[in-house]
Amino acid sequence: ELKVEQNPLFLSMQEGKNYTIYCNYSTTSDRLYWYRQDPGKSLESLFVLLSNGAVKQEGRLMASLDTKARLSTLHITAAVHDLSATYFCAVAVGSMRFGAGTRLTVKP
Amino acid sequence: GAVVSQHPSRVICKSGTSVKIECRSLDFQATTMFWYRQFPKKSLMLMATSNEGSKATYEQGVEKDKFLINHASLTLSTLTVTSAHPEDSSFYICSASLRDGGYGYTFGSGTRLTVV
Repeated sequence: ELKVEQNPLFLSMQEGKNYTIYCNYSTTSDRLYWYRQDPGKSLESLFVLLSNGAVKQEGRLMASLDTKARLSTLHITAAVHDLSATYFCAVAVGSMRFGAGTRLTVKP
Repeated sequence: GAVVSQHPSRVICKSGTSVKIECRSLDFQATTMFWYRQFPKKSLMLMATSNEGSKATYEQGVEKDKFLINHASLTLSTLTVTSAHPEDSSFYICSASLRDGGYGYTFGSGTRLTVV
């Protein structure tokens, strides 16, 4: 059974700081997704990582994928309050399975 | 870009009644749609995979007679919560596989179901 483990589950950061969210998964897959969810809303797609070594960046967020280690990271650079949200990684093997989510709070 | 429309966004119903949630792909054909359930402050739990023209595949522990899924066309999948109870209250989200070469998935806006 595919398992997707995400950590940390809760992250409180100060503005301007950097941090990394980790996503480990238990079975071979070359498709890793990152989503953002605001309270009461659905999911917003951030990144789709399709191959080993893939790195994608959008603004203050950068995602990478190591398929050999079955690990993806979401790096936050110089956090700002607007990044406060819950971030999910997900792995698609047929259907999509989600990590538990990281609730990020960025404080002034 | 690909859009999945989910309706209604919010619904309140009485215990014992049934509620239908619709998920439409607006500008593409979705041969496969997925239904998720999300409890407050929790992750998304896959309920079932819906393929056009065939029976849905339910995840272990999901009652197929309770959560009826119909995928009658390439642009519409429906989830009906039958004989709803307060414990069925949740946030339900559908998604569709794009099969666009980028292996993208697009999500509906979600339905907040409250059973009173």
